[in-house]
Amino acid sequence: DAGVIQSPRHEVTEMGQEVTLRCKPISGHDYLFWYRQTMMRGLELLIYFNNNVPIDDSGMPEDRFSAKMPNASFSTLKIQPSEPRDSAVYFCASSFWTGVSTGELFFGEGSRLTVL
Amino acid sequence: QQQVKQSPQSLIVQKGGISIINCAYENTAFDYFPWYQQFPGKGPALLIAIRPDVSEKKEGRFTISFNKSAKQFSLHIMDSQPGDSATYFCAAKIRNSGTYKYIFGTGTRLKVLA
Repeated sequence: DAGVIQSPRHEVTEMGQEVTLRCKPISGHDYLFWYRQTMMRGLELLIYFNNNVPIDDSGMPEDRFSAKMPNASFSTLKIQPSEPRDSAVYFCASSFWTGVSTGELFFGEGSRLTVL
Repeated sequence: QQQVKQSPQSLIVQKGGISIINCAYENTAFDYFPWYQQFPGKGPALLIAIRPDVSEKKEGRFTISFNKSAKQFSLHIMDSQPGDSATYFCAAKIRNSGTYKYIFGTGTRLKVLA
């Protein structure tokens, strides 16, 4: 398997523009997580899905952030409008959890977002 | 309180030395404690993990020490090598309405000097 695939790897945009980050999870995984990494806060959980259904979006910082998972092989994280403080590396991770397994997370290589 | 507090923020160790990174938590509902390793430009990857009913787990040069009563756990890297230079995250797993999630610490940037 190719692993978790994220795009774009790098995005530079101007304040106020819409940003869409994309993620393709590992085939067969039933969980998908979106994390944001910054120096100050480390890895923050933004939202996660189980079987394409959003379970917990309490980490989404503001209404400007939204996420969707229309099918088992694709998810998007959208920021509209973007602000400089949104600059960070955004990671997508997927996993398979049986309820008794560890549910190890497999991360993509991240999307580095810079908002000018 | 769903937080995992990690220290130090950065660490510099000489080659062959011992690297120690500490984490603390409050929520007793956490039931699994992994450490993830991240190299520059890459996503984090699982390094080693421990269940709360075990006090220590060792895999090669990497050891987790777990103190359930103190709600603390730590990563020890013996004989640290330059190739160990990376960011390390502790994490804790919690069940949530029939699902689960991982809460991560803020990370420790380790640099091992040759």
